[in-house]
Amino acid sequence: GAVVSQHPSRVICKSGTSVKIECRSLDFQATTMFWYRQFPKQSLMLMATSNEGSKATYEQGVEKDKFLINHASLTLSTLTVTSAHPEDSSFYICSAKRQGAESPLHFGNGTRLTVT
Amino acid sequence: AQKVTQAQTEISVVEKEDVTLDCVYETRDTTYYLFWYKQPPSGELVFLIRRNSFDEQNEISGRYSWNFQKSTSSFNFTITASQVVDSAVYFCALSRRSGYALNFGKGTSLLVTP
Repeated sequence: GAVVSQHPSRVICKSGTSVKIECRSLDFQATTMFWYRQFPKQSLMLMATSNEGSKATYEQGVEKDKFLINHASLTLSTLTVTSAHPEDSSFYICSAKRQGAESPLHFGNGTRLTVT
Repeated sequence: AQKVTQAQTEISVVEKEDVTLDCVYETRDTTYYLFWYKQPPSGELVFLIRRNSFDEQNEISGRYSWNFQKSTSSFNFTITASQVVDSAVYFCALSRRSGYALNFGKGTSLLVTP
């Protein structure tokens, strides 16, 4: 089955630093990738949609200058949390849409970010 | 706008009991997709089922079954003879088309005790 790899699975960083999270589709080309955020005991909220080779589309309330998304190839999208603060501590999870026919979204295993 | 409501926040059952997780959705789209995902404590999302709006047939997969009722905008999920390994948070989700962004419900936390 299709596999989406997300790295790192856990990261702890100091306030003010930046963290990069990678999302890779391992055995298919992903024209579109989605980034979600999940606070403890809450639902997954869509942050942004990224299409390969174009700028990401951010959901209302998500700061595009803080959460930088790059989708430079059909197999890799990155989310960079810039100048992280403790309130950015969350579970970030990506999903990928296979190019071509409609298919279920495949999710990465998520990244648990803790900002101290 | 799309909305998914999972009214049950937490459910606790004893092993071997049957349990139904409710999901009610709202959408103005005539074509849409419904999903169920399982999220164990480790955090990953495990895909369980996708159903499009034109297919109202119920589905059974082992101990899992799903009841899709367009008349009541519900897509309920039943686990028969629950097991401890079923303990997880279960999310119902809705999208305009398969492969598009999902709108998730708030999830139902299921605890199955021995």
